[in-house]
Amino acid sequence: DSGVTQTPKHLITATGQRVTLRCSPRSGDLSVYWYQQSLDQGLQFLIQYYNGEERAKGNILERFSAQQFPDLHSELNLSSLELGDSALYFCASSMYNSPLHFGNGTRLTVT
Amino acid sequence: AQSVAQPEDQVNVAEGNPLTVKCTYSVSGNPYLFWYVQYPNRGLQFLLKYITGDNLVKGSYGFEAEFNKSQTSFHLKKPSALVSDSALYFCAVRVDGGSQGNLIFGKGTKLSVKP
Repeated sequence: DSGVTQTPKHLITATGQRVTLRCSPRSGDLSVYWYQQSLDQGLQFLIQYYNGEERAKGNILERFSAQQFPDLHSELNLSSLELGDSALYFCASSMYNSPLHFGNGTRLTVT
Repeated sequence: AQSVAQPEDQVNVAEGNPLTVKCTYSVSGNPYLFWYVQYPNRGLQFLLKYITGDNLVKGSYGFEAEFNKSQTSFHLKKPSALVSDSALYFCAVRVDGGSQGNLIFGKGTKLSVKP
């Protein structure tokens, strides 16, 4: 068990809708990262937060946003969903400059 | 720009035999290289990393990786494969200026170990 908790495990929604994915990092970890894993794009870094502040951005669409709260949990918001957004979304946490601990992911299906 | 390549989609090995999963990289500066493993329906787990120092890096579960600067490779190895090693293996390189969590991953190599 990595200590990183992601909810929900599965999410099925329709095109055009908005969803929120939640992540609780490992105790003591200040950094939270979001990754998207899909068959065609592979594993892609979306965004990083460190102690509540955005630290780095990767290939995150403008329709997607994230935040990290004072208790260090993080939420990834996906809006105006398209079929191509169907993927596994992983949250990972770490102390700032150490390897990642991944959650088990949220599988998003957009129909 | 940084990139990693895993030239094999799948590697098949008999239990007890040595295994190698290949990775080559392209970076503009000093490479920070990682191997992660993913079991079905699970998140990735960190195996090992190379930042500097000895070219042979030892990691979790008996895995090791050999850094070769002239060949820009970072192959994952294990002397004796187990059936339980069957999983998806990812090589990754750190994004320039980023932390050890800002990574560019390869597409992954599926390792299948048969009894």
